[in-house]
Amino acid sequence: DIQMTQSPASLSASLEEIVTITCQASQDIGNWLSWYQQKPGKSPQLLIYGATSLADGVPSRFSGSRSGTQYSLTISRLQVEDIGIYFCLQASSTPPWTFGGGTKLELK
Amino acid sequence: EVQLVESGGGLVQPGSSLKLSCVASGFTFSSYNMHWIRQAPKKGLEWIALIYYDNNNKYYADSVKGRFTISRDNSKNTLYLEMNSLRSEDTAMYYCAKNFGGYVDAWGQGASVTVSS
Repeated sequence: DIQMTQSPASLSASLEEIVTITCQASQDIGNWLSWYQQKPGKSPQLLIYGATSLADGVPSRFSGSRSGTQYSLTISRLQVEDIGIYFCLQASSTPPWTFGGGTKLELK
Repeated sequence: EVQLVESGGGLVQPGSSLKLSCVASGFTFSSYNMHWIRQAPKKGLEWIALIYYDNNNKYYADSVKGRFTISRDNSKNTLYLEMNSLRSEDTAMYYCAKNFGGYVDAWGQGASVTVSS
């Protein structure tokens, strides 16, 4: 099965700061990578799909990138409403699909 | 607006069974593959099952294979998860989720399952 190693596990950042979260795939998954945000007590919400495409309604300060088997989610200017937990998900070929372990983003 | 509403969660004893339902609305349910994804308390997300739009293919995580069964009734716009031989490690919030291409574009609010004696 494909493993997704997400880092960091937790992150404290200041408002307006640039934040980057990464997921490393254990093998080639192409662009079958998506990112989700989960706020406390809520269901996850899609941010990025196809590694780099912004989901409808998601602010443009969120972006996704890929370098080989490493995928990154970047928040260009952190806002209060961005606080939460972020997960990556790989969906390459036949299941099982696998999530990264999550990154808890807090305000400094 | 896409809506996914889970029901059927609760507190059960180890070894018992439970069946979750998820009623879908706001989209053509019979055209989309559907997932069950769970989240143990204070833990990350775990994909556990996928069913194709036409019922012809089903996939499971190793952690639930042989104990859980995913099914759907397209005439009722409803997704199911039948869970047998429940263990304490199955305690989690269970989310019904809509597949779009290679990602999940909609999630339900979740159904809480607690397995404890």
